[in-house]
Amino acid sequence: EVQLLESGGGLVQPGESLRLSCATSGFTFSDYAMTWVRQAPGKGLEWVSSIAYIGTFYADSVRGRFTISRDDSKNTVYLQMNSLRVEDTAVYYCAKNFKDVGEYWGQGTQVTVSS
Amino acid sequence: DVVMTQSPLSLPVTLGQPASISCRSSQSLVHSDGKTHLNWFQQRPGQSPRRLIYQVSNRDSGVPDRFSGSGSDTDFTLKISSVEAEDVGVYYCMQGTHWPRTFGRGTKVEIK
Repeated sequence: EVQLLESGGGLVQPGESLRLSCATSGFTFSDYAMTWVRQAPGKGLEWVSSIAYIGTFYADSVRGRFTISRDDSKNTVYLQMNSLRVEDTAVYYCAKNFKDVGEYWGQGTQVTVSS
Repeated sequence: DVVMTQSPLSLPVTLGQPASISCRSSQSLVHSDGKTHLNWFQQRPGQSPRRLIYQVSNRDSGVPDRFSGSGSDTDFTLKISSVEAEDVGVYYCMQGTHWPRTFGRGTKVEIK
């Protein structure tokens, strides 16, 4: 059974940092691209970042502040988030790619940026 | 960036009746690999999103066959042949051809 479990969310002040983790199981992690998607309160889905064999990709709104990475030995994908802004407040989901984004999703982790 | 325009944004439906959601992209979604990367997601209240359809018309594993996707180039449709109570939620299209990936605003399906 494929499982994705996000962690690392929390309440931080503007300008601070957080590192999200997404631990996976049930598939050969190294074979698949992974993606982070976020959802602000009461809003729609926003693609944030993807990591694939061809490279890493970012939304304009986070480029230069967020870094996606992976540790294939730990079956885990990360999202390092620096210089957080109030507008980064959202539930952050990780997703496994197959044929495109989002074959499987985690349950999400809440990130709140507030002074 | 590719803009994904969904309509309608709200869709009241009667149980057992069909429903249809439109998604239009501001650019062609035909990739250099020859495939068209248009996906549909369902998000039930309080749940994580779930992919229903990838590459326009391919149902993901476990997705009921009352869901179907169609379309080409810039014009796509998600159809539910006979709406059930469990289909209530928000439906999003998303393009996977161009960077950055972009979602539509979502269509809220509710029962009349």
